[in-house]
Amino acid sequence: QKEVEQNSGPLSVPEGAIASLNCTYSDRGSQSFFWYRQYSGKSPELIMFIYSNGDKEDGRFTAQLNKASQYVSLLIRDSQPSDSATYLCAVKGNFNKFYFGSGTKLNVKP
Amino acid sequence: DTGVSQNPRHKITKRGQNVTFRCDPISEHNRLYWYRQTLGQGPEFLTYFQNEAQLEKSRLLSDRFSAERPKGSFSTLEIQRTEQGDSAMYLCASSSYGPAGKVLSSGANVLTFGAGSRLTVL
Repeated sequence: QKEVEQNSGPLSVPEGAIASLNCTYSDRGSQSFFWYRQYSGKSPELIMFIYSNGDKEDGRFTAQLNKASQYVSLLIRDSQPSDSATYLCAVKGNFNKFYFGSGTKLNVKP
Repeated sequence: DTGVSQNPRHKITKRGQNVTFRCDPISEHNRLYWYRQTLGQGPEFLTYFQNEAQLEKSRLLSDRFSAERPKGSFSTLEIQRTEQGDSAMYLCASSSYGPAGKVLSSGANVLTFGAGSRLTVL
């Protein structure tokens, strides 16, 4: 079992819609959770982090964490074509190791 | 400080040759990580340093891979006797130390990635 699981997609949404990206993790002791965006051929860049149960909003992005269900999600409101990228979920586990999912590819259609 | 710097950005080599990648982290970051990423996959942990100490090394890392971080500043990742399966993007990331579970504005407990070094083994 992988430490972090994501649906590889692609997830296609029309411009202006809400994109919902999901992630599950296996280690109950995980403390911090991250969403990175990666454009093709580029390195990952941090979008948001969350470490408390509930929602955290930053502009058009909302991260949601449910530790009981070991579930993290990212909502992107008013999706733009420039949001088209692969979204990586990352979890910080024991010994300061960060585990990444395989990413979900998002396509926002104009 | 302009972020995490990696060199070279691209390396093409023949099977059996040795290659070395260099990473210069953000200056105030004491933790440095190496990841490998292949097409369609997420970054895969290779190893990490806290200051000059290599604290963790992936079991997936064969003996052909070695990493160093002398003086706790820049780091090098060497791959000996390269194989075609080594072709990948090698990503370096750094972070600073912070309270467990907390992310601070200084970048504590958050990975900041460099642009990566793409290796092609022919």
